[in-house]
Amino acid sequence: GQNIDQPTEMTATEGAIVQINCTYQTSGFNGLFWYQQHAGEAPTFLSYNVLDGLEEKGRFSSFLSRSKGYSYLLLKELQMKDSASYLCAVRDGDYKLSFGAGTTVTVRA
Amino acid sequence: NAGVTQTPKFRVLKTGQSMTLLCAQDMNHEYMYWYRQDPGMGLRLIHYSVGEGTTAKGEVPDGYNVSRLKKQNFLLGLESAAPSQTSVYFCASSPGQTSQPQHFGDGTRLSIL
Repeated sequence: GQNIDQPTEMTATEGAIVQINCTYQTSGFNGLFWYQQHAGEAPTFLSYNVLDGLEEKGRFSSFLSRSKGYSYLLLKELQMKDSASYLCAVRDGDYKLSFGAGTTVTVRA
Repeated sequence: NAGVTQTPKFRVLKTGQSMTLLCAQDMNHEYMYWYRQDPGMGLRLIHYSVGEGTTAKGEVPDGYNVSRLKKQNFLLGLESAAPSQTSVYFCASSPGQTSQPQHFGDGTRLSIL
């Protein structure tokens, strides 16, 4: 089976930086995705990593270390609208994703 | 730009009733998926399809059936609803390439009494 771990909750102040860690143990590896999900809404795609290193997209960056089974999502210059759940998902074959339980980030003024 | 559309958005059923959830995508995606999302458990894959006329079991398939008669539609059926099936159901679709993300519908909130 798949084992994907991320913290349940994190709180940060507007304008600050937050790092959400994700560790995984899967039978195969074919890429890691991060999704954002606001309460009551659908998950939306944020980033994709398949090679080791950092991918940057504006205020959001994602890092991957395949040898350590580790990824993180970095959110910079936090805004109130960033309050949401962040889902880490691993593709272990050609078709399917296995999701972590999600990390709820609360941004305070 | 409709993307992935799920109907209905909300439904309340009694134990033992049956119903079908419809998912439609207009992006010509090959792959389609049904997930359920429960508090503290993340998204769990129920069934998926890698093309028209094909279906396969995911992580939690018991109590559900699916059909993909047309490429754009993926139906999820509950033959005899149980309270344990109370959940939020999400449909998703993706192209064939592994680097491409899945696109999700807005979800169906289903309560079984």
